[in-house]
Order: sequence, then C-alpha cells, then structure tokens
Amino acid sequence: GQNIDQPTEMTATEGAIVQINCTYQTSGFNGLFWYQQHAGEAPTFLSYNVLDGLEEKGRFSSFLSRSKGYSYLLLKELQMKDSASYLCAVMDSNYQLIWGAGTKLIIKP
Amino acid sequence: SAVISQKPSRDICQRGTSLTIQCQVDSQVTMMFWYRQQPGQSLTLIATANQGSEATYESGFVIDKFPISRPNLTFSTLTVSNMSPEDSSIYLCSVATEGQGAYNEQFFGPGTRLTVL
Repeated sequence: GQNIDQPTEMTATEGAIVQINCTYQTSGFNGLFWYQQHAGEAPTFLSYNVLDGLEEKGRFSSFLSRSKGYSYLLLKELQMKDSASYLCAVMDSNYQLIWGAGTKLIIKP
Repeated sequence: SAVISQKPSRDICQRGTSLTIQCQVDSQVTMMFWYRQQPGQSLTLIATANQGSEATYESGFVIDKFPISRPNLTFSTLTVSNMSPEDSSIYLCSVATEGQGAYNEQFFGPGTRLTVL
C-alpha cells in the first residue's frame, strides 16, 4: 500500500531551527510537496522536490532522497506565525497526490 | 496561481438532508478535485471532477453519496447526500495545473465546514 509518515506534533522555540521529517512508500514517484496549513484555513504550497538534494527558499528549505524515500522541511529563524500544520504529499505514478497526516508545529516564545 | 472560492463557507445540517457545495475558479483549469479533511487528519481525496463526463471516485466514495457536477472548466459542485454525523468534516475544492510529468502544484479553496446534527 501507499504510506506517508511524518511526526504528529513538534514544538520549537521562536528564533530556533526545526526539521520536520517525512518518509514515504508509494507506487511510483513524480515529486514531493510540502504544504503549510494554518488552523481553519486551506493548505498553501511551500515547496516541490523531484530530484535529490536541497531546495532553499528563504527561511524554508526542503530536502529529498529518493533512494531512501525520505524528505525533510527545514524552518530557520522560527517566527510565531510559523505555528501551523505542515503536510507532506507525494505524487504517485498516476499523478495523484498521496497526503501525510500533517505535523502540527507549535512555536513557543 | 488560481483563486478559488467555495460556497457555503460553513453550514449546520440535519441528518438525512443533502448539501451542495459550489467551487468557482478564476481561470480555466483541467484538473479539479474534491477532498475531505476531518479534524486533525490528513486530506482524503473523494474524487476527481471531470469536465463533460462522470467524476472519478476514490475507493470508499460512491456517486450516490457524493454526486459531482463539472459543467465547465471553472466550476464544480459536490453534493453530500443523505447526511449523517459521520459526514461532519471540512470539504475542500482543489485545482491543479495541466500536464502529466510536469510540476503540478495544487491550489486549494478556503473549504466548507460542515456539521451534521
């Protein structure tokens, strides 16, 4: 079956760095997405990786290792507004997105 | 990017009734999807809305319970039929850019929060 695993909840301190991991097992691979979802709002796109390596975009970076079925989202210089759920999703061989359950990130002052 | 609106934004309904949710996109898109997200859980794909033909439903979802219309490339509706409290959830419309093998970012509507009593 297809499976996306990510931690349920993480806590970090304002100004610090946090890494949210995602492992996946899917039928085929056509890219991995990270989305941010604030409580009561729709998910919004953060990043897309299809090749191995690190993609940096401001305070956020996303890493992919296809051989290991592994990705992480790295958030630097954490701000209170970064408190949200972070969803990992993989596009399978049918170009459908398989979603993880999301990681709730709590930022403390 | 695409701007998506949904109506209603929220509703409280009685058991046994039906609710139709509308999704409007500000540009023509090929791929439109309907998702359900229950509190604290992942997004679950209900179906892909196909323009001019019947929707493609995922395992566990059937047309009689969740009829979908897609009359054109900018509009779709999802009906939740014969509702029960288990249908209480957030329903999200989503669209994606065209092209197999291409980068396919999905854009989401604001969601419809449904509570069934």
